[in-house]
Amino acid sequence: QLQLQESGPGLVKPSETLSLTCTVSGDSINSTSYYWGWIRQPPGKGLEWIGSMYYSGSAYYNPSLKSRVTMSVDTSKNHFSLKLTSVTAADTAVYFCARVLIGSDWFDPWGQGTLVTVSS
Amino acid sequence: QSVLTQPPSVSAAPGQKVTISCSGSSYNIEKEFVSWYQQLPGTAPKLLIYDNYKRPSGIPDRFSGSKSGTSASLGITGLQSGDEANYFCGAWDSSLSAVVFGGGTNLSVL
Repeated sequence: QLQLQESGPGLVKPSETLSLTCTVSGDSINSTSYYWGWIRQPPGKGLEWIGSMYYSGSAYYNPSLKSRVTMSVDTSKNHFSLKLTSVTAADTAVYFCARVLIGSDWFDPWGQGTLVTVSS
Repeated sequence: QSVLTQPPSVSAAPGQKVTISCSGSSYNIEKEFVSWYQQLPGTAPKLLIYDNYKRPSGIPDRFSGSKSGTSASLGITGLQSGDEANYFCGAWDSSLSAVVFGGGTNLSVL
């Protein structure tokens, strides 16, 4: 059964870089059928798509975040990562990773999510 | 302000039916597939509906999806207390070149 698990610091200082990893188990991240994505949810608010990437490294990002986002994949560790630079309090959110079927834009399944707070 | 518009909350009695709406535009709902997610308190979203009306394996047929023009709807019949959750719609937006979501609808089963 496919499972995704986010990991990373729960607290990041303003202006620094947020770094998270999503470890995939139960399937290979090398799958040619799927992309791997990040979505975030500020406390008490709705969902915001951050970006999605293929195991080859090609990625597409939400234009509203594109200048600050980098996604990468490590096939040897079966995980993919997110970096968000120059964070502010507005980046405080629960960050989820999820799988995306190629040619679609729906996410299934999702990781449990990890709360990242931006504060000094 | 979400690109897709959902009512903040809906409520209905156990056993009844409820419909949750999701309003968008020609750049998203009208020409793109809609998906729906259920988020139980303190948990990750779970895919309920994809490609407007299709249900993933394991999702009961009490959940249904439909679309007409620039609006989509999620229907839930035979409401149970376990259906109390936040429900989100999502779709690709061709003008923004991004996946967009609704603000979420909180369902109360009274």
